[in-house]
Amino acid sequence: GAGVSQSPSNKVTEKGKDVELRCDPISGHTALYWYRQSLGQGLEFLIYFQGNSAPDKSGLPSDRFSAERTGGSVSTLTIQRTQQEDSAVYLCASSLVTADTEAFFGQGTRLTVV
Amino acid sequence: QQQVKQSPQSLIVQKGGISIINCAYENTAFDYFPWYQQFPGKGPALLIAIRPDVSEKKEGRFTISFNKSAKQFSLHIMDSQPGDSATYFCAASRRGGTYKYIFGTGTRLKVLA
Repeated sequence: GAGVSQSPSNKVTEKGKDVELRCDPISGHTALYWYRQSLGQGLEFLIYFQGNSAPDKSGLPSDRFSAERTGGSVSTLTIQRTQQEDSAVYLCASSLVTADTEAFFGQGTRLTVV
Repeated sequence: QQQVKQSPQSLIVQKGGISIINCAYENTAFDYFPWYQQFPGKGPALLIAIRPDVSEKKEGRFTISFNKSAKQFSLHIMDSQPGDSATYFCAASRRGGTYKYIFGTGTRLKVLA
C-alpha cells in the first residue's frame, strides 16, 4: 500500500483480555516504531524495530506489552491482561534506516479497555 | 536528558497572524529536529525538519528557527489559516543511535477565521 496501515482502527476490549494490534509498514522501510498517544498527551515511545530485531524496547511500560516483527515487514503489538490505563491510541510509524528521513505514521488503533 | 519540552500547550491565533511554538531539549546528542502536524483522527505527518548545522529553515509559510547554544528550536507559521488548526508536535532524534523520536507534548493550535 501507499502508506502505513494499522488494524483494527478501533478496538474495545474487556479488562483482563489480550489484544493484538497490527501494523503494515511502507514497503522497503526497515525501521518501524510503535508509539502510544493518550488523550490530549504527546507521543510516548514504546519500541523500535530495525528489520526483525528490536534494539530499543525501553518504552514498553510493563511485561504485559510485547511486540514482534516478521519478514522485516508486518509488526504486531500484543497487550496481555489489558488494564483500563492501557486505553489510548497506538500509533505505528516506519522509515528508511536513518533517523533523519521522514517517519510516516499510520492512523492508529484506538484501544478502549472497559 | 531524553525529554523535549514544548510550549504553549494551546494557542489561538487570528487568521493572517503568526503562530509560534517553542521547544527545548537537554540531550546535545540530538541532531535531527522534525515538526509533525496532526489532525483529529489522523496520524502525525511531517511538516518540516532541521539539522543543527543550520539556524533556520523555511518551507512556504513554515519556518524552523534553531538555537544550538540555547538548545531550543521553534516553529513559526506565517499568515496562519484556519486550515492550519491542528496539533503540532516537535521531536528530536539522534542519528547513530536507535533512531527513535522523542516527542514534545504537543500544541493545539486554533486559527480563527
